[in-house]
Amino acid sequence: GQNIDQPTEMTATEGAIVQINCTYQTSGFNGLFWYQQHAGEAPTFLSYNVLDGLEEKGRFSSFLSRSKGYSYLLLKELQVKDSASYLCAPRSPGNTGKLIFGQGTTLQVKP
Amino acid sequence: NAGVTQTPKFRVLKTGQSMTLLCAQDMNHEYMYWYRQDPGMGLRLIHYSVGEGTTAKGEVPDGYNVSRLKKQNFLLGLESAAPSQTSVYFCASSPGQWEQYFGPGTRLTVT
Repeated sequence: GQNIDQPTEMTATEGAIVQINCTYQTSGFNGLFWYQQHAGEAPTFLSYNVLDGLEEKGRFSSFLSRSKGYSYLLLKELQVKDSASYLCAPRSPGNTGKLIFGQGTTLQVKP
Repeated sequence: NAGVTQTPKFRVLKTGQSMTLLCAQDMNHEYMYWYRQDPGMGLRLIHYSVGEGTTAKGEVPDGYNVSRLKKQNFLLGLESAAPSQTSVYFCASSPGQWEQYFGPGTRLTVT
């Protein structure tokens, strides 16, 4: 199956830390991507996980547990400009490079 | 290096009219994708291509056709537009099993 579950909306305060969870039920796991999408704009790549553990990139980190079908995106030192939708996207099995997008989590960061 | 570009940026069609959306990438990527994004639905894959001269159906292909005659271009056609095809259309490209790079989107309204 291809069922991706993320919270629809989250709110946080500038300077705080927020964790956006994603659970997925895809057979033949083949990597998982996180994208950021500001309102009215195109998605942009944030991170990629294919092995269990934490990948850190500046203020953003992403974690993966393949056995649990679980990932999270951790945003530190939040800024108002981080207000956006965050899309969890497992990749389909095989060699097509297809991504399976959930509905995404809309994050609002308040001053 | 323009990345992924889409033409046009906005378009209004009447029901039954046809049009072609153009996606162009200058990164020599093999894989290209067409998505539509509707409120509350996330990104849904319409068609994709894993190389010049190849195309395949995605999740929601009905009412659309595509062509990939040149590696750098991926065309999406609507033969007879319907109001249900009002959406934001994103094109993306990828060098293979890595992240997808998205174009700025085309906002299409069918009346």
